[in-house]
Amino acid sequence: ETGVTQTPRHLVMGMTNKKSLKCEQHLGHNAMYWYKQSAKKPLELMFVYNFKEQTENNSVPSRFSPECPNSSHLFLHLHTLQPEDSALYLCASSHQANRDSYEQYFGPGTRLTVT
Amino acid sequence: QKEVEQNSGPLSVPEGAIASLNCTYSDRGSQSFFWYRQYSGKSPELIMFIYSNGDKEDGRFTAQLNKASQYVSLLIRDSQPSDSATYLCAVNSLHGSSNTGKLIFGQGTTLQVKP
Repeated sequence: ETGVTQTPRHLVMGMTNKKSLKCEQHLGHNAMYWYKQSAKKPLELMFVYNFKEQTENNSVPSRFSPECPNSSHLFLHLHTLQPEDSALYLCASSHQANRDSYEQYFGPGTRLTVT
Repeated sequence: QKEVEQNSGPLSVPEGAIASLNCTYSDRGSQSFFWYRQYSGKSPELIMFIYSNGDKEDGRFTAQLNKASQYVSLLIRDSQPSDSATYLCAVNSLHGSSNTGKLIFGQGTTLQVKP
């Protein structure tokens, strides 16, 4: 596979469930990102990992827990979510997350519905 | 003031016309500027990036950057119905002396190309 892949593509979960989103990049990049996209709102950056180290947590509630075991894989662990967390969750990668902000490439996203 | 501003549209142009999409940003220190195209239900796709003042052309797309005016635009020549999508402007944001950067996205402009 090439590019950035995400699984699952669609997820429906109850507020008491625990689930995980997975992202994998095949571009040889060193930085990975989680974004949230809700209807009528700009893309919201959630987390940034640069060389496996978390460099950004954009005031994300603790019910979202990221994990980056290596530069190619990124997870978002979800627990006790709220209906307002329903959104498209996008993973992206770039060469590095530095001042020059190399161009980012997005995966297809996971459409999450919290019931 | 929003960090990255775009007119949400919709911008409607006839097939074959030039579509002009505009974006302003607030961070004078920003150095990298990106245009993404997002079809309905899909993830953003990088179509152009520009780092220097002036014009950058790629096929039917031209990105224009004016750092003094804090303005970046995207021109699409010979617009096709397949260009109908939401176009997202993204600008890098710096963290003082930190070496990390992140992208700030505008809310996007919806383009409709009428046959």
